[in-house]
Amino acid sequence: AQSVTQPDIHITVSEGASLELRCNYSYGATPYLFWYVQSPGQGLQLLLKYFSGDTLVQGIKGFEAEFKRSQSSFNLRKPSVHWSDAAEYFCAVGHGAGSYQLTFGKGTKLSVIP
Amino acid sequence: DADVTQTPRNRITKTGKRIMLECSQTKGHDRMYWYRQDPGLGLRLIYYSFDVKDINKGEISDGYSVSRQAQAKFSLSLESAIPNQTALYFCATSGRQNQPQHFGDGTRLSIL
Repeated sequence: AQSVTQPDIHITVSEGASLELRCNYSYGATPYLFWYVQSPGQGLQLLLKYFSGDTLVQGIKGFEAEFKRSQSSFNLRKPSVHWSDAAEYFCAVGHGAGSYQLTFGKGTKLSVIP
Repeated sequence: DADVTQTPRNRITKTGKRIMLECSQTKGHDRMYWYRQDPGLGLRLIYYSFDVKDINKGEISDGYSVSRQAQAKFSLSLESAIPNQTALYFCATSGRQNQPQHFGDGTRLSIL
């Protein structure tokens, strides 16, 4: 069965510092991978997705993620964090016919200190 | 207007009551989903529907039922609410194959 692990429950970074959020997945076939962000009181917003092709994926708000099949990882990065990036981040793997179903990780909460 | 609208946004009710959460979408998507979110557990799939005549159980369907009244409407019911169903509930939609899901803003449900 598919699963997603986000090892870090809570990360705190200083504004302007770089960020990397870790995601590891378990899935028997070619994975379709997503990162979503949830701001307080809001729904989930798609940051970026990987389906195939270039393993370095660019997303919105200056985020990028790199798919590494050998490590079963899809880590999210940002070179310089802004205070508005404080939120909870979820990694997900698509599965099932047409990858219509998503299995989510438990999330990483990001705090940004000035 | 939001593409995926959930009503109500907040609800407080008592154990044993019947509750319906509603979701409507203007994205024209065939596929709709209901999730619940609990702190530290991420999102878990309750039910999903690929079209009006196709409804499927997800990971945690016990205690819930759904109705797909139209392509644009997908409602979630708790026939007899219990306190451990207190959670944040999200509706989502998706379109063509392998396309990402789009989420509503959620319904915060508290059962006393």
